[in-house]
Amino acid sequence: SQQGEEDPQALSIQEGENATMNCSYKTSINNLQWYRQNSGRGLVHLILIRSNEREKHSGRLRVTLDTSKKSSSLLITASRAADTASYFCATRSGNTGKLIFGQGTTLQVKP
Amino acid sequence: NAGVTQTPKFQVLKTGQSMTLQCAQDMNHEYMSWYRQDPGMGLRLIHYSVGAGITDQGEVPNGYNVSRSTTEDFPLRLLSAAPSQTSVYFCASSQGLGYTFGSGTRLTVV
Repeated sequence: SQQGEEDPQALSIQEGENATMNCSYKTSINNLQWYRQNSGRGLVHLILIRSNEREKHSGRLRVTLDTSKKSSSLLITASRAADTASYFCATRSGNTGKLIFGQGTTLQVKP
Repeated sequence: NAGVTQTPKFQVLKTGQSMTLQCAQDMNHEYMSWYRQDPGMGLRLIHYSVGAGITDQGEVPNGYNVSRSTTEDFPLRLLSAAPSQTSVYFCASSQGLGYTFGSGTRLTVV
């Protein structure tokens, strides 16, 4: 079974609005990562947050991590049509390099 | 610097045939993984490797074999293709933080 559950499964917003996606996981982790996938393409790494970090920023992206609730959120501010994609969280546990993905959130940003 | 290269991009197999999906990375990454992506299922880990000569099973390893004889290459072998293996396959590599993904192989088993 997959480690992560993402919510919502689909999200549709207008350009300029903020988009928030949530991820819950089951076991203890070393880090949690977020990836973007444009339709028909491979995944692109967006941001990584370690288990001892609570918040991280990268450009218009803000990630939070709550290890007590085993959950994370990805906020994309001032969204653009080009942000239309699927977004996946993935967790890494132990030192194996094993990365387990959630099912993803499909984001549509309307111009 | 090519990153992660997967070949072929598309493949059609008949049930029972075998084939190897190739994956090569030129970043000297230690970790490599194979995933399959099915509609509505996200990515599921098939096999992964923490270095040359070391591989382990992921979430859905049945019907697939891997080997890692060099740091650069991590081929995925389908032993006897089944329609349930119709999917998009992604190879990825990492040096311990974020993974770099290949562009995928779309496999159809008829």
